[in-house]
Amino acid sequence: GAGVSQSPRYKVAKRGQDVALRCDPISGHVSLFWYQQALGQGPEFLTYFQNEAQLDKSGLPSDRFFAERPEGSVSTLKIQRTQQEDSAVYLCASSLPSGQQFFGPGTRLTVL
Amino acid sequence: DAKTTQPTSMDCAEGRAANLPCNHSTISGNEYVYWYRQIHSQGPQYIIHGLKNNETNEMASLIITEDRKSSTLILPHATLRDTAVYYCIVRVINTGTASKLTFGTGTRLQVTL
Repeated sequence: GAGVSQSPRYKVAKRGQDVALRCDPISGHVSLFWYQQALGQGPEFLTYFQNEAQLDKSGLPSDRFFAERPEGSVSTLKIQRTQQEDSAVYLCASSLPSGQQFFGPGTRLTVL
Repeated sequence: DAKTTQPTSMDCAEGRAANLPCNHSTISGNEYVYWYRQIHSQGPQYIIHGLKNNETNEMASLIITEDRKSSTLILPHATLRDTAVYYCIVRVINTGTASKLTFGTGTRLQVTL
């Protein structure tokens, strides 16, 4: 079956623009995670959904970052007024509640 | 989640076993040891996990010391496609709710001809 998909794969934004990153999880996976990976570093947790409920958003670096999953399936990570320090790979992962996480290929965001 | 310590990088000849160590001396009794790997330009990929017993699957073996303070991931016959960053993670498994993964900087394994 299909794995986790993310779009776009690459995004270039000018500083100050808003961006929206999409994640399509594996069908039936109730848990969905977003991670941010800076160059040369391991992924860092941003936020977690169980179905449509956002249970943990402690990793979001600022109020410019917003995530939603309105119907408990597709999720969108939105970054408002992008800054250069937002440049990173944004990874989405989905899982069953106590299962292993399956990751998508990520979206590479470059803010100029 | 407990912190893990891994070597920054390792080399391995193709066809030989790759043994990747991980120290997790502050692990709690309810924390599992997980291993993921990340091939260049891809998302992390689950390899294996265990609590206290040694585990084996089609990808690798996981050896956990009796005191659970360290573990070793073994790739029995490394190939060039195993070149990747390998992350050792300790994580509580809750029933009913998922838990985040806390990645470190991992071990960069380079498999050579």
